[in-house]
Amino acid sequence: EAGVTQFPSHSVIEKGQTVTLRCDPISGHDNLYWYRRVMGKEIKFLLHFVKESKQDESGMPNNRFLAERTGGTYSTLKVQPAELEDSGVYFCASSQVGGSGANVLTFGAGSRLTVL
Amino acid sequence: EDKVVQSPLSLVVHEGDTVTLNCSYEVTNFRSLLWYKQEKKAPTFLFMLTSSGIEKKSGRLSSILDKKELFSILNITATQTGDSAIYLCAVFLYIGSARQLTFGSGTQLTVLP
Repeated sequence: EAGVTQFPSHSVIEKGQTVTLRCDPISGHDNLYWYRRVMGKEIKFLLHFVKESKQDESGMPNNRFLAERTGGTYSTLKVQPAELEDSGVYFCASSQVGGSGANVLTFGAGSRLTVL
Repeated sequence: EDKVVQSPLSLVVHEGDTVTLNCSYEVTNFRSLLWYKQEKKAPTFLFMLTSSGIEKKSGRLSSILDKKELFSILNITATQTGDSAIYLCAVFLYIGSARQLTFGSGTQLTVLP
């Protein structure tokens, strides 16, 4: 079974530019999450999709961040315009809906974003 | 505010040693506690604990949860260099229809040959 795939693995952009991160969850996983770790801090929740619906976006830092999951398959996270403090590693995770497996998130390798 | 605290932050041991990693939490709407191992890239799942006092075991790794005292421990016996990683503790919260993992800062374990 393919795992959670994230692209790009590393992106270096200048302040003010736009970056789009992509996540392909495990097939059949309706739960999709975005998390972020900034330098020296713990991994923090950003938002949660169930299929194509945003279930919880309370962790999104501000309106420069936009997440989508059209069709309930892959998801994108766009940062526009990027600021220096957005640098960090963005993790995507997925899980099945229902049962104990819903609480077991499978993580991708992360997309490292560096804003100069 | 929900909080997960791991200790120690880092640990250096020699192969063959036994280590105990700690995780305490202060959260509302606790559902389960999870341990992950992160080597280079993706955190990989180790254990999920939902009930107090029931040890979960996988090879040389084991973990237990105490919901009264609000902590969990992860034990690794006969450590090997391949156990070197960041070990993450996270608590799964249900807040209405929302579902979130709240992470600790992790314990960086280094196992020397």
